[in-house]
Amino acid sequence: GAVVSQHPSRVICKSGTSVKIECRSLDFQATTMFWYRQFPKKSLMLMATSNEGSKATYEQGVEKDKFLINHASLTLSTLTVTSAHPEDSSFYICSARNEKLFFGSGTQLSVL
Amino acid sequence: KQEVTQIPAALSVPEGENLVLNCSFTDSAIYNLQWFRQDPGKGLTSLLLIQSSQREQTSGRLNASLDKSSGRSTLYIAASQPGDSATYLCAVESSASKIIFGSGTRLSIRP
Repeated sequence: GAVVSQHPSRVICKSGTSVKIECRSLDFQATTMFWYRQFPKKSLMLMATSNEGSKATYEQGVEKDKFLINHASLTLSTLTVTSAHPEDSSFYICSARNEKLFFGSGTQLSVL
Repeated sequence: KQEVTQIPAALSVPEGENLVLNCSFTDSAIYNLQWFRQDPGKGLTSLLLIQSSQREQTSGRLNASLDKSSGRSTLYIAASQPGDSATYLCAVESSASKIIFGSGTRLSIRP
């Protein structure tokens, strides 16, 4: 079945640094990928829709300069959390569609 | 604006019981509805996808139904097992190609 790989699974960083999260579709091409954020015991909140070859579409309230999304190829989208702060600590998950939605395994970001 | 609600938020049942998880949505103009399973600290695993034209989908011990007119979906789990313990999320894809998730039901199956 379709597989979406997300890396890293866990990252701890100092406040003020930037963190890049990768999302790859391993056996299919994805012109669109989605980035979600999940707080503890809460549901997933869509942050942005990543479009191959064009700018991402951000949901209301999501800072595009804070969460940089690049979708440079049909199999790779990256989310960069710039100048991370403790309030950015969260679980980030990407997904891509191949008929169904397939999700990466998520990235637990902890900002100290 | 589409809103997705899941009830109950948490459920604990003894092993072997059949159970039903509920999902309701406010806007019936949907493309599809999908049920996911999430284990603690993990990503999501797709369980069942129901297209808007379908009424139900089955996979093994799982059966999902969709009633668009009433804005409801149910996930039926037969003969529950401890390994079924997880959070179950439903997600609705609207006509605007946006996917809205419910807040999930945390299911615990007691041995």
